[in-house]
Amino acid sequence: KAGVTQTPRYLIKTRGQQVTLSCSPISGHRSVSWYQQTPGQGLQFLFEYFSETQRNKGNFPGRFSGRQFSNSRSEMNVSTLELGDSALYLCASSYEGLASAGELFFGEGSRLTVL
Amino acid sequence: KQEVTQIPAALSVPEGENLVLNCSFTDSAIYNLQWFRQDPGKGLTSLLLIQSSQREQTSGRLNASLDKSSGRSTLYIAASQPGDSATYLCAVRPYMNRDDKIIFGKGTRLHILP
Repeated sequence: KAGVTQTPRYLIKTRGQQVTLSCSPISGHRSVSWYQQTPGQGLQFLFEYFSETQRNKGNFPGRFSGRQFSNSRSEMNVSTLELGDSALYLCASSYEGLASAGELFFGEGSRLTVL
Repeated sequence: KQEVTQIPAALSVPEGENLVLNCSFTDSAIYNLQWFRQDPGKGLTSLLLIQSSQREQTSGRLNASLDKSSGRSTLYIAASQPGDSATYLCAVRPYMNRDDKIIFGKGTRLHILP
């Protein structure tokens, strides 16, 4: 069974550009969540999607957005990149029903460097 | 507001020793707690998941306990090996009907000395 797949693994952008990251969850998982990891702040929750609906959102500016498709694949987008957006972006998926929250499984992450 | 703390931030122990990693949380109204390990530059690997109704979970040399009343979870690693060297993180998930986010501790960086 394939794990959570994130693409691209590494990317370099300049300030002001935008970036789109992709996440394919484990087959059968309908929940996908995104996290930003930096040395200073640790792991911070960005947003969570379930069946194409955003279920929860972290405390990040509107430049950070996401969506989920009917096949549960998810994308996140960061517009007008700032130097502080340099981080490891992690995606996790879980198998859960509407009233339960299951075990999180993470991808290898997308390492974004903003110059 | 939920806060999750992991102390110590770093730990070095000789190979073969048993050790305990700690995770504290301030709000006991949690749905579950999950322990992960993270190797440098990699994603998180799930180790153990404890539901709020459970007291402990075991997998191989790992045992995780949960005490909601005291806001604590521990991860016990038996007979440590150099391959156990990694950063260990705990994460607390709130109940689904609350507008709270999953919160991670900042992790304990573990180094097993050969």
